Amino acid sequence: QVQLVESGGGVLQPGRSLRLSCAASGFTFSSYAMHWVRQAPGKGLEWVAVISHDETNKYYGDSVRGRFTISRDNSKNTLYLQMNSLRTEDVAVYYCARGFTYGGRRFDLWGQGTLVTVSS
Amino acid sequence: DIQLTQSPSFLSASVGDRVTITCRASQGISSYLAWYQQYPGKAPKLLIYTASTLQSGVPSRFSGSASGTEFTLTISSLQPEDFATYYCQQLSSYPQTFGQGTKVEIK
Repeated sequence: QVQLVESGGGVLQPGRSLRLSCAASGFTFSSYAMHWVRQAPGKGLEWVAVISHDETNKYYGDSVRGRFTISRDNSKNTLYLQMNSLRTEDVAVYYCARGFTYGGRRFDLWGQGTLVTVSS
Repeated sequence: DIQLTQSPSFLSASVGDRVTITCRASQGISSYLAWYQQYPGKAPKLLIYTASTLQSGVPSRFSGSASGTEFTLTISSLQPEDFATYYCQQLSSYPQTFGQGTKVEIK
């Protein structure tokens, strides 16, 4: 079925690195822009990054620019988020989401999320 | 960056009530606004996009409207399953920011 499944979350110390994955299935992954959105415990949603369907364009939120890198492997139907120099303020559930533009822009498909905890 | 200000942040209502949530953008975003519903511990779910288009499968008691930079989500008759947190999102430019959320609780 049509779904996104995140993985790779965990507990780690400040300054360390982590790579999140988002496996897509049930649709033509290579046709869609993909996004990462995060949510700190008890807080609202924060847009993190986007990658175009063909990897030619990438944009980042101010709080992660220079530390996080979004990428994708269309042959594996997988989206990635490389997170370097992690900080305590990066603690959040990280969601991947599909960006749909035909007929109007929206995030129409979301994964279940993966939790990243940064603590010394 | 475009800021979205949602109001109220918290809303207490009863089943059957008409509920309105407002989202104001700090600058023009055309109709590039979406609304999402989120339950605790769950991923957000798309309700409305392009300010007023109902996502497939979403009940018709949900509606959206726009006037300039002010956007509104209306639930015509609140149902038990509607008690959740609602977020607006602008998709006009990056970063594609979200409002701070409106939590709808049972009165």
